[in-house]
Amino acid sequence: EAQVTQNPRYLITVTGKKLTVTCSQNMNHEYMSWYRQDPGLGLRQIYYSMNVEVTDKGDVPEGYKVSRKEKRNFPLILESPSPNQTSLYFCASSLRGRANEQFFGPGTRLTVL
Amino acid sequence: KQEVTQIPAALSVPEGENLVLNCSFTDSAIYNLQWFRQDPGKGLTSLLLIQSSQREQTSGRLNASLDKSSGRSTLYIAASQPGDSATYLCATSNTGKLIFGQGTTLQVKP
Repeated sequence: EAQVTQNPRYLITVTGKKLTVTCSQNMNHEYMSWYRQDPGLGLRQIYYSMNVEVTDKGDVPEGYKVSRKEKRNFPLILESPSPNQTSLYFCASSLRGRANEQFFGPGTRLTVL
Repeated sequence: KQEVTQIPAALSVPEGENLVLNCSFTDSAIYNLQWFRQDPGKGLTSLLLIQSSQREQTSGRLNASLDKSSGRSTLYIAASQPGDSATYLCATSNTGKLIFGQGTTLQVKP
């Protein structure tokens, strides 16, 4: 089944404890991206990657890191999480970037205490 | 900077009614516009993608239109059903970024 998977789906952590949210797609998509969704602010793009080893900042990249070493994986790293990073995170992919249909993962609900 | 607005924020209709959801954007230099559906606590499901060169797309009871010159898109839902209850989001695509509207939460009452 063609899909985008994220792990974990739910995470509660404490301020400053490094964490990684994994994202993987099995559709051989070139483009992958991360979003956060907050009440009243909607969905905002954090980082995106047009292809392996190519990443770029979205609208809210501060406090996040990404890497794209393989085509199928695009992990989101929070080196020192803070409470303002408590949010619902989505990973998405598309065949070749912005012109193609975006497929979203199920989401990761992160709480930073 | 692109801004995407969806009005109304919430809508409640009786089952069977035809309805229109609105999406407006400030920068007409877009590659495409995509409509999504989001169920509570779930991810986003793509409904329709309209490329910038297209005027509309149809899928079943859904029809989406795009008017770049006026910065508007509409999602038309025919013969609404309770299962259509969800939040509908539009997003414009440009230079690698997707910019989302805040969504319209639709409730279809039996």
